[in-house]
Amino acid sequence: KAGVTQTPRYLIKTRGQQVTLSCSPISGHRSVSWYQQTPGQGLQFLFEYFSETQRNKGNFPGRFSGRQFSNSRSEMNVSTLELGDSALYLCASKPGQTSYEQYFGPGTRLTVT
Amino acid sequence: GQSLEQPSEVTAVEGAIVQINCTYQTSGFYGLSWYQQHDGGAPTFLSYNALDGLEETGRFSSFLSRSDSYGYLLLQELQMKDSASYFCAVRAVYSGSARQLTFGSGTQLTVLP
Repeated sequence: KAGVTQTPRYLIKTRGQQVTLSCSPISGHRSVSWYQQTPGQGLQFLFEYFSETQRNKGNFPGRFSGRQFSNSRSEMNVSTLELGDSALYLCASKPGQTSYEQYFGPGTRLTVT
Repeated sequence: GQSLEQPSEVTAVEGAIVQINCTYQTSGFYGLSWYQQHDGGAPTFLSYNALDGLEETGRFSSFLSRSDSYGYLLLQELQMKDSASYFCAVRAVYSGSARQLTFGSGTQLTVLP
């Protein structure tokens, strides 16, 4: 069974631009979560989607948004990029919303200049 | 709010045993997970404890004491490939949210020959 895939793997953007990251979960997994990882803040929860609905949201500004499609694929969008948004963005999937084991993708490394 | 504390660094020699502690403060606690992340890699699930006691999976064991808000990951017969970051993560329900995973800042384990 293929793992979680994320595209693109690396991205360089300029301040003020917007970016869309994509995540394809493991086949059959309906829950997708997004995390931001930085050296200073560690792994921070962004949001979780299940059955195309946002079920949970972390403490991030409204510039960070996401959505989930009927095939469980998910995208996250960051608008008006700031230098502090430079991070590794990780997507994780699990079979159901109450499952405790998450499977992480390789991440998208975003650099904002 | 919620908080987790774990040591930032631990060093041990090959073949030794090492224990990584994690203390947490949270409401709506469901369980404690452990994840391993190698440099440049994705976090991978190691264990989950919902009840008090020890869970053993091969060379790795995880312990939880709900009354003490404390857990640890025990790694036995250390191998060089165990050098990685180890994250504890609390699974909890916060007001108005579904179960959410909050990660500690991670412990960098270095295994010396």
